[in-house]
Amino acid sequence: QVQLVQSGAEVKKPGSSVKVSCKASGGTFSSLAFIWVRQAPGHGLEWMGGIIPIFGTVNYAQEFQGRVTLSADESTSTAYMEVSSLRSEDTAVYYCARGHYGTSGYWQDAPFDIWGQGTMVTVSS
Amino acid sequence: YVLTQPPSVSVAPGKTASITCGGDNIGSKSVHWYQQKPGQAPVMVIYFDGVRPSGIPDRLSGSNSDNTATLTISRVEVGDEADYYCQVWDTTSAHPVFGPGTKVTVL
Repeated sequence: QVQLVQSGAEVKKPGSSVKVSCKASGGTFSSLAFIWVRQAPGHGLEWMGGIIPIFGTVNYAQEFQGRVTLSADESTSTAYMEVSSLRSEDTAVYYCARGHYGTSGYWQDAPFDIWGQGTMVTVSS
Repeated sequence: YVLTQPPSVSVAPGKTASITCGGDNIGSKSVHWYQQKPGQAPVMVIYFDGVRPSGIPDRLSGSNSDNTATLTISRVEVGDEADYYCQVWDTTSAHPVFGPGTKVTVL
């Protein structure tokens, strides 16, 4: 059974960057795809983007385009999400979750069935 | 693609709670539902409109038709208190979309 374990909480200054990791275990990393979701305090789930490492496919929500970078390292079975130019509004819990893709490397209309535990990022001066 | 959900639903223990998820012709899409308890990650509770993952009680069921998908919780228990989110794939943008969430309170 695939499990996703995320890195620990972070406190960052405005203008800096943060990189959150999501380590997969219990499955073949090359068969995995990941999405990232932001949840600001008291708010709902917001899709940030997704990555299909084996195809090199990376998609971003328009709101996060240019400020968020998704990557993956097969050697460590880890997906990463980096946010630059942090501002107070980026204070949130960030989740990774497993997505699904087809043989052509496109995302499948399938649920996000496995989630990481979340990483709290606080942006404060 | 925009999804709408009621902000809150209140229900007495043992009764039935219905959580709606509205969208333009949502009946033509697959709807997935997630339960999120305070301080925890979301958990998939219904997928492809009405399929329950293993470990999810059969008190939870889902349906989807026309412009509304519904998550129904029968014989509600205190442990069902949580936020519930619906989710679909927007075929236009090829991106997933989450509903705003519904807070279920057990009276």
